[in-house]
Amino acid sequence: AQSVTQLGSHVSVSEGALVLLRCNYSSSVPPYLFWYVQYPNQGLQLLLKYTTGATLVKGINGFEAEFKKSETSFHLTKPSAHMSDAAEYFCAVSDNNNDMRFGAGTRLTVKP
Amino acid sequence: EAGVAQSPRYKIIEKRQSVAFWCNPISGHATLYWYQQILGQGPKLLIQFQNNGVVDDSQLPKDRFSAERLKGVDSTLKIQPAKLEDSAVYLCASSLERANTGELFFGEGSRLTVL
Repeated sequence: AQSVTQLGSHVSVSEGALVLLRCNYSSSVPPYLFWYVQYPNQGLQLLLKYTTGATLVKGINGFEAEFKKSETSFHLTKPSAHMSDAAEYFCAVSDNNNDMRFGAGTRLTVKP
Repeated sequence: EAGVAQSPRYKIIEKRQSVAFWCNPISGHATLYWYQQILGQGPKLLIQFQNNGVVDDSQLPKDRFSAERLKGVDSTLKIQPAKLEDSAVYLCASSLERANTGELFFGEGSRLTVL
């Protein structure tokens, strides 16, 4: 079965700095990869997804992620952090059977 | 378009009591999921429905948890009897198709506290 590892349960950056949230996956079949964001007391919301095609995927709010098969990674980046980016971010992997597995999450803090 | 609706938002019970959570997915979404999210952890799939049939319930503690989706629309998740370790947020999600290249749409969750 597929699985996801998110490196770093907490990441803190200054406003305007680069955001890098790390995700590595394990899958026996070509994976579908996702990043979801969760704001306090809310459900998860899709940021971006990779299914097929271009390996650099752009999402909402200026986030992007690159699928690197050789490194089994799908790291999330944003060039310049904003205060409103403070939230919990979850990487997820899915297969053709619609079985989506989530990582443990990374809490992003943005300092003024 | 209305999102995924869940109720209640919050529930506090004592151990060994029972509780039920309700979910109404987005109209037309055939696939419905229940996830358990324990504080500090990612969501863990409990059960997945395709219309009114169960696709995956391998991680559902069947001795105390049950779920149904009788008419292929809304769903109920029940816990009986509850244990302290069941304290978590129970997230319901739906998607348009079973072949998940798409997006899961999540409700706001039902937060359960077991005392």
